[in-house]
Amino acid sequence: TQLLEQSPQFLSIQEGENLTVYCNSSSVFSSLQWYRQEPGEGPVLLVTVVTGGEVKKLKRLTFQFGDARKDSSLHITAAQPGDTGLYLCAGAEAGGGADGLTFGKGTHLIIQP
Amino acid sequence: EPEVTQTPSHQVTQMGQEVILRCVPISNHLYFYWYRQILGQKVEFLVSFYNNEISEKSEIFDDQFSVERPDGSNFTLKIRSTKLEDSAMYFCASSLRRGEAGGRQFFGPGTRLTVL
Repeated sequence: TQLLEQSPQFLSIQEGENLTVYCNSSSVFSSLQWYRQEPGEGPVLLVTVVTGGEVKKLKRLTFQFGDARKDSSLHITAAQPGDTGLYLCAGAEAGGGADGLTFGKGTHLIIQP
Repeated sequence: EPEVTQTPSHQVTQMGQEVILRCVPISNHLYFYWYRQILGQKVEFLVSFYNNEISEKSEIFDDQFSVERPDGSNFTLKIRSTKLEDSAMYFCASSLRRGEAGGRQFFGPGTRLTVL
């Protein structure tokens, strides 16, 4: 069974600060996706990283896939209150053996004005 | 932008009753999925469906669950005899390709199932 560990579980920071959220596993993933989920809604895809070492930027959000494709990070620069939400990482099993995504438990992020 | 839709948004049922949750995936997508999220817990994969048959299912997806694509647009999840522990948000997702590189899954807004 593949597991994805996200850290921290909760993070509350002031507007303007930078932060990094981590997603780690002992398993190799063919791709890793980051989602944002609002209360009572479904996860909304932010980005997919596929290649080991890949870095993708989405405005103030920077996503990185580890070289070994076992871990990923999400870095937010100059966080804003609108970034508040639940951030989920989810991985697709390497080798094409599975269709379903493995999700982490998520990071609850609060940006205080 | 095309999106996955789900109905109803909230379903309340009595223990032992059958429920059917409905989803309309993105129209050109070929792979369909159901996930569930028990309150306060992580999103868990239930089942994937391709070419009118189940391609993968998790341990959660036991004999009380079934899926169907009855008319080429809807994708349904049936729970035959609901239990209290089936209370959760159920998310439908679809993708153009398989859940590997490039197989990005797009999620619906979910159906909140409450079993009393």
